Amino acid sequence: DIQMTQSPSSLSASVGDRVTITCQASQDISNYLNWYQQKPGKAPKLLIYDASNLETGVPSRFSGSGSGTDFTFTISSLQPEDIATYYCQQYDNLPRYTFGQGTKLEIK
Amino acid sequence: EVQLVQSGAEVKKPGESLKISCKGSGYSFTSYWIGWVRQMPGKGLEWMGIIYPGDSDTRYSPSFQGQVTISADKSISTAYLQWSSLKASDTAMYYCARRRERDDAFDIWGQGTMVTVSS
Repeated sequence: DIQMTQSPSSLSASVGDRVTITCQASQDISNYLNWYQQKPGKAPKLLIYDASNLETGVPSRFSGSGSGTDFTFTISSLQPEDIATYYCQQYDNLPRYTFGQGTKLEIK
Repeated sequence: EVQLVQSGAEVKKPGESLKISCKGSGYSFTSYWIGWVRQMPGKGLEWMGIIYPGDSDTRYSPSFQGQVTISADKSISTAYLQWSSLKASDTAMYYCARRRERDDAFDIWGQGTMVTVSS
C-alpha cells in the first residue's frame, strides 16, 4: 500500500504569511494527489485536484505543485478564514484512497 | 444544487446494529461513485470504501473489509453504511462523498453523521 507522509502536523503563522505544507508518497503516484481543507465542525472541502489544479471557486492564494513522490501545498498570503486542517489524498485506479495525517493551521 | 444529505446522529450500545444513509440530489446518482470516510474524534480522515450505485460495484479499504457493509438503492438515490455489531471504537463522524471521475477527487461531501457507541 502507498503511504502518505504529510508535514508539518501543525503550523502557526501570521496573517499575510506564506504557508507551505508538504506531502510525500512512498512510491511514484504521478500527479494523483488532491488537497482538502476541513474547518472545525465541517466536512472537508476540495481545494486542489491532480496536484496543481485549483477547484472552481477556490481563491487563487491557494496552490499546489509536485509530481511523483513529492508534493507541496501553498497559501500565498494567509487569511484569518484559512484556519483549518489541511489533508493531502492520493488515489489509484482500484479505486483506492489514502489521506495524509493532516496539518492543523493556526493563526499566530 | 448538487448535494449529499446524510441521516442524523445516532447513539447506540455495543453489539447493536446500525445503518446510516446518504441521499444524493441535483445530479445523476447512478453515474458517480460514492465513498465513505471515517473521522474518529480529534483524528484524521480514513477512507473506508466506495460504491458505484449504477451497478452496486463496491470496493473496501483493507482496514474496513468485513467490518462494515456499503450498499446503495439507486431507486431512491441513497447510499448506505451499515454495521451488524457496533463497538465502542466505531464512535466517529462518518462522511459520504461523491467521487468525480475525471480526476478521482471527492468533490461533494455530505454534512456527516456522528455515531456514538456507548454502554
